[in-house]
Amino acid sequence: AQSVTQLGSHVSVSEGALVLLRCNYSSSVPPYLFWYVQYPNQGLQLLLKYTTGATLVKGINGFEAEFKKSETSFHLTKPSAHMSDAAEYFCAVTEEGANSKLTFGKGITLSVRP
Amino acid sequence: DVKVTQSSRYLVKRTGEKVFLECVQDMDHENMFWYRQDPGLGLRLIYFSYDVKMKEKGDIPEGYSVSREKKERFSLILESASTNQTSMYLCASSMTSWMEQFFGPGTRLTVL
Repeated sequence: AQSVTQLGSHVSVSEGALVLLRCNYSSSVPPYLFWYVQYPNQGLQLLLKYTTGATLVKGINGFEAEFKKSETSFHLTKPSAHMSDAAEYFCAVTEEGANSKLTFGKGITLSVRP
Repeated sequence: DVKVTQSSRYLVKRTGEKVFLECVQDMDHENMFWYRQDPGLGLRLIYFSYDVKMKEKGDIPEGYSVSREKKERFSLILESASTNQTSMYLCASSMTSWMEQFFGPGTRLTVL
């Protein structure tokens, strides 16, 4: 069975600082990996995804994530935080197959200090 | 762009009422999902549907039912609302069950 671990529930950074949100997964077969962002009182929006190919994936709003199979990780980064990045971020994993669905982590809230 | 719409952004109901939450997607997606989101618990899958008139239970189906009479529409039904069903409800759709899901804006339901 697949699973996702997002350690901690809250990360706080200063505006302009590096953003690093961690995600570790468990999967018995090659995974597909996703990061979603949720702004207050809104639905989830896809930030980026990894399926196959290049392990460094670029997404919207300057975010990127790197798939590291040896570490079973898919951490999300952004070089310079902006106030508008304050939101909740969810990592998700799935596997190709008719019976497979996305499994989400519990999410992590990013705060950005001026 | 894929668009998933939900019938209400905010809803207030009384205990014991029957509640309908509706979701419509415009991208001809086969799969549709209902989640509830609660602080500290993340997203929990209630039901999903992989075809018209087909449904599968998710992780927390108790107290809920669903209906999918048309491909684009997936309804979540609370037969008799209770206060512990106060939550944010999110609908999503996807082309295949294992690929990215596209989410609606959510319905914040309060049961008094």
